[in-house]
Amino acid sequence: TQLLEQSPQFLSIQEGENLTVYCNSSSVFSSLQWYRQEPGEGPVLLVTVVTGGEVKKLKRLTFQFGDARKDSSLHITAAQPGDTGLYLCAGNTGNQFYFGTGTSLTVIP
Amino acid sequence: NAGVTQTPKFQVLKTGQSMTLQCAQDMNHEYMSWYRQDPGMGLRLIHYSVGAGITDQGEVPNGYNVSRSTTEDFPLRLLSAAPSQTSVYFCASSYGAGANTGELFFGEGSRLTVL
Repeated sequence: TQLLEQSPQFLSIQEGENLTVYCNSSSVFSSLQWYRQEPGEGPVLLVTVVTGGEVKKLKRLTFQFGDARKDSSLHITAAQPGDTGLYLCAGNTGNQFYFGTGTSLTVIP
Repeated sequence: NAGVTQTPKFQVLKTGQSMTLQCAQDMNHEYMSWYRQDPGMGLRLIHYSVGAGITDQGEVPNGYNVSRSTTEDFPLRLLSAAPSQTSVYFCASSYGAGANTGELFFGEGSRLTVL
């Protein structure tokens, strides 16, 4: 059972464009995390959001947790080639992390 | 600065063979877990442990066994490999049992092919 659905699955954009990745679920999570994974490596944490409605900004990346704590979004402003990678959301329900299906982002110089 | 170390990085098995994927962490983390990553399916939890001597099943536990005799080590055993177990396996650890808001630290992955 896939609890978290991400969209889009693939995204190819030009450098400088903006983009939004969505992470949706019918389940409520105590926290939600976003990770980025590069080829041949394990995922690396970008951010954790805990409170419904919470918005966190990391430079050009903006993360939002839905009011009902069931969904989240990641917005990247002025994408750069270094943003290329697989973006994964992960919801926590106590001792288990459920990962989304992933969004593969390619930023073309 | 070793973090989470997985071995081997690559392995080819024949159907029916058994093997163990090793995972060790040097951060004194209580929480450890194993995931498999398949195209289009993200990461799926196989087994996890909240401390030495304690293990529990995740989403896809069938065909896999784990044990946690020490805080540092969390091996994953494939009892009788099947082609459906061809995947990339990741071990991850986190500070604190439950890891409610804790960061998962991942190893580099072990790519397993079952023929």
